[in-house]
Amino acid sequence: DTGVSQNPRHKITKRGQNVTFRCDPISEHNRLYWYRQTLGQGPEFLTYFQNEAQLEKSRLLSDRFSAERPKGSFSTLEIQRTEQGDSAMYLCASSFDSPKLFFGSGTQLSVL
Amino acid sequence: GENVEQHPSTLSVQEGDSAVIKCTYSDSASNYFPWYKQELGKGPQLIIDIRSNVGEKKDQRIAVTLNKTAKHFSLHITETQPEDSAVYFCAVGGSQGNLIFGKGTKLSVKP
Repeated sequence: DTGVSQNPRHKITKRGQNVTFRCDPISEHNRLYWYRQTLGQGPEFLTYFQNEAQLEKSRLLSDRFSAERPKGSFSTLEIQRTEQGDSAMYLCASSFDSPKLFFGSGTQLSVL
Repeated sequence: GENVEQHPSTLSVQEGDSAVIKCTYSDSASNYFPWYKQELGKGPQLIIDIRSNVGEKKDQRIAVTLNKTAKHFSLHITETQPEDSAVYFCAVGGSQGNLIFGKGTKLSVKP
């Protein structure tokens, strides 16, 4: 499978815990994006990387959220001190020098 | 910032009929307009896109039309099939790929 891969597919955590998600983009894609999607809504942009550089962050990305893309390959999204409002589907997408994004299947986060 | 409105929120058609979903946007500088299909438990899948220098694009049963002056674009699906049932999202963006999505249209195709 050469598509965008996200792990885990599902994560259940208690309020206040930290969680980390991983995204493996399509090979050789230099751009990597994180989006968040809540029930009945379209995906909302969180942040994006060009290679290893984080070029843009949405105001939705509070200081409890941090994303990294070491060596310009896979990326991780960490949420510290999770809140119930963080419950959502976290989607990763990648592209090669283009706005044409290819999405993974997402990580569904449930904060109890 | 950019604002994208999508209508209708739900659409039910008989198999073989056509379906049309419309989106409007606010930022006249936007130049990329993709459409995504999302099935339950999956991420959005790009089905067709159009750039601002083109008025219409077609791919088999799917077509997109763009009116830059009026700032709206539409998805047209002809000869609908039950497997077309899904949630469809329009999106608007520039060259960087930070797309702004509409709220989605749940399409149901009844056999």
